[in-house]
Amino acid sequence: EQLVQSGAEVKKPGASVKVSCKASGYTFTAYYIHWVRQAPGQGLEWMGWINPSSGLTSFPENFEDRVTMTRDTSIDTVYMELTRLRSDDAAVYYCARVRTGYNSWGAFDVWGQGTTVTVSS
Amino acid sequence: DVQMTQSPSTLSASVGDRVTITCRASRSIGSWLAWYQQKPGKAPKLLIYEASTLGSEIPSRFSGSGSGTEFTLTISSLQPDDFATYYCLKYSSFSHIFGQGTTLEIK
Repeated sequence: EQLVQSGAEVKKPGASVKVSCKASGYTFTAYYIHWVRQAPGQGLEWMGWINPSSGLTSFPENFEDRVTMTRDTSIDTVYMELTRLRSDDAAVYYCARVRTGYNSWGAFDVWGQGTTVTVSS
Repeated sequence: DVQMTQSPSTLSASVGDRVTITCRASRSIGSWLAWYQQKPGKAPKLLIYEASTLGSEIPSRFSGSGSGTEFTLTISSLQPDDFATYYCLKYSSFSHIFGQGTTLEIK
């Protein structure tokens, strides 16, 4: 059971970034995927989730106008796109799987390796 | 929303010590709490879920307790591999919220 994320990105302020997270070793559509980010030297911040089966998403207020999450069931991959990037969006972005199947919430048991997003002019 | 307060922010200890980290919720969250260990440059690793259930292949020196608003992670006898940063995570159908983290340092 594994989540493998796309590589590091460098973006300018105001641009968008799209990070992928490919699942393997389990039934992709059975487990919700969440995204979490970590700014340099800081703690973990939850960004929301996607149901890989239906494509339904949910985000906290502080992200709901800038984040989009999508999935491609043909290749067992979810995507997180963050728009209108600011300098404080520079962080490592992680995808993570909810431990129990068919639940939108719960502890995260499998994590991607992280994708570093740098925002710089 | 529920606020999570984790303490201490830094903890200095020696190999063999027993250490405890605390997370407090601003209102009751039942037992919907997990603990993670994170090492530099790595993703968090699940240690404990549902407040007291040990994660897969996690050594028995780690334990979790509590319910409602106060939770603890205890490491019974610190090993060199345990020096890392620890986070609690509160989870519900409404939100997932992490504590601020506790960095466990070698004394």
